Amino acid sequence: NAGVMQNPRHLVRRRGQEARLRCSPMKGHSHVYWYRQLPEEGLKFMVYLQKENIIDESGMPKERFSAEFPKEGPSILRIQQVVRGDSAAYFCASSPRPGFGNSPLHFGNGTRLTVT
Amino acid sequence: QQQVKQSPQSLIVQKGGISIINCAYENTAFDYFPWYQQFPGKGPALLIAIRPDVSEKKEGRFTISFNKSAKQFSLHIMDSQPGDSATYFCAASKEYSGGSNYKLTFGKGTLLTVNP
Repeated sequence: NAGVMQNPRHLVRRRGQEARLRCSPMKGHSHVYWYRQLPEEGLKFMVYLQKENIIDESGMPKERFSAEFPKEGPSILRIQQVVRGDSAAYFCASSPRPGFGNSPLHFGNGTRLTVT
Repeated sequence: QQQVKQSPQSLIVQKGGISIINCAYENTAFDYFPWYQQFPGKGPALLIAIRPDVSEKKEGRFTISFNKSAKQFSLHIMDSQPGDSATYFCAASKEYSGGSNYKLTFGKGTLLTVNP
């Protein structure tokens, strides 16, 4: 039973380019959460999505960042016109039902974005 | 505003010793307190979690102690082993509409090194 799959593992972009991060949730999971980890910081919530719906994007920067979770295919976190401050590890997690209560929230191994 | 404060930033313990990591929170609406373990290059993995209706929870060598009145909780690792060397994050969450906890607020992490 594959876990949460994220790709690419490492992504290097020049300032001004676009970054696309993909997340395939665990089988049977229809709820996806994106978190960002800045160097030497804890993870910070960005967005919560269900299939074709954004439930809570209160942690997403208002500009340049967007997320989607289409009916078919992985969830995508898109960062347009990247800046050096976007360099971080981006983690995706999934769950089979809203929230996670007493069930573990399974994180992927992350995508490490470096902006040069 | 940092809602979950974690200490110490780093900790060195001898094999067989007890590792203690502390966290304090501000938001009294938090009702779910997990601890995550993260190895380099990996995503965080849930270690153990507690709800505020109990003061202590033990799973193997890992124990959470919870003090609701002081708004503090701690992780104790008994008989620490070199394989426990990792970064540990405390986190907290509150129940959102729909009855779900999905937005974790993380501490900044503690780098634990267990010397052989």
